[in-house]
Parts: sequence; structure tokens; C-alpha cells
Amino acid sequence: DQQVKQNSPSLSVQEGRISILNCDYTNSMFDYFLWYKKYPAEGPTFLISISSIKDKNEDGRFTVFLNKSAKHLSLHIVPSQPGDSAVYFCAASENSGYSTLTFGKGTMLLVSP
Amino acid sequence: DTGVSQDPRHKITKRGQNVTFRCDPISEHNRLYWYRQTLGQGPEFLTYFQNEAQLEKSRLLSDRFSAERPKGSFSTLEIQRTEQGDSAMYLCASSSDGYSPLHFGNGTRLTVT
Repeated sequence: DQQVKQNSPSLSVQEGRISILNCDYTNSMFDYFLWYKKYPAEGPTFLISISSIKDKNEDGRFTVFLNKSAKHLSLHIVPSQPGDSAVYFCAASENSGYSTLTFGKGTMLLVSP
Repeated sequence: DTGVSQDPRHKITKRGQNVTFRCDPISEHNRLYWYRQTLGQGPEFLTYFQNEAQLEKSRLLSDRFSAERPKGSFSTLEIQRTEQGDSAMYLCASSSDGYSPLHFGNGTRLTVT
């Protein structure tokens, strides 16, 4: 059973527009959430995180929103750039830290010029 | 910061053979993690170390798998009597503590024929 779900396998966006990647989770014990970006032939790279005590965290063009009641989080990229084209993984932890992460299956983002 | 290094990048082996992978974490990172990623899935947690102590193991880590971090620096992951189902990307990550994001290496891709 998937505890972290990314229901959109892929997303296409034009350069300059907003990209919104979604993630749902089922485990109420999750209290830390992260987004990782992965290019082909490379390992995942940390992007941004959010604690369950917050509902928003922003870092430059990247903003993560958390809706605990809906068990839903989203990553907004504004403006999207072609270099953002990658697979994005949502991950969660239930230890108030990053000891063990549960990942979703990923969403492939393609940003076209 | 030279990043997390994994060796080899690719390994092809015949079913029943033993294989060993090596991971060199970012220097002075106390925590080291092993994850496995199969096609179309996100990374799955296998095990992690705090210095030389193995603190947690996933039920995915069968008796054929063993991981060590003898001096609290590099780590090895050995798979004995490989099976075709072991074919995957094996990712190593490190962090300075349990509250810092994981830095992943580029992985070792294992193919069992």
C-alpha cells in the first residue's frame, strides 16, 4: 500500500508558467515532508521541506503548501524554466526528522521553451 | 564537499552470484543511508547507520542483504545469492544528523541476469 501517492506520472508546462505538483499521503503520523528532484543518471537532489507545524514554506521559485486535514501537499514552481525538467519525488517522514523517508513514485515535469 | 560517491556505477551479475557495493559519504556526515529504487517507483528505505551503528533495517532487507560501516566512514552493501528481483538502482545517502536533508549519491545500477 502506497503511503505517499503522486497520482500524476507526468506534467507538461510552458516556460514562464506555474508548475504545480501534487502529493497525497495516508499516514497520519507523517510530520516532515520533502521534495526531491532527480535528473537522469543522477541521484535525487533535495529541493525544499516543510514541517507539519507549518502550512507553507518558500525558497526562491519553489513553494511547498501543506494541507494536513486533506493529507495533501503541493509544490509550486514559479516561473518554470526548461532546466526544471526532471522527475520530482515527494517524501515523508514520521520521526520529526529525516531518518527514514517514504517516497512517492514521482512526477516527471517537462518544461518546454 | 565532494558529494556522496558510489562504486561501481553499474554492475551486471549472474543469478546466484554475490555482489558488493561501496558508498563514501560526505566527509563528517554521521548518518549514512541505503535506499533501493526499481523502475517506475520511488526510492525505498533499506537501512541506515549512525556512525558505525546500524540503527534501523527495513523488512525489505532480507537475510541475503548485509550492510556494514566498520569505521563510521564508508559503507558496503553486500547481496548474496542474487536473484533477478534484486535488479534495481541502489542509492546511498548521507546527512550530518537526523534533522538535515539527505544527500544522495548517483547510485549503483544492478542487473541480475
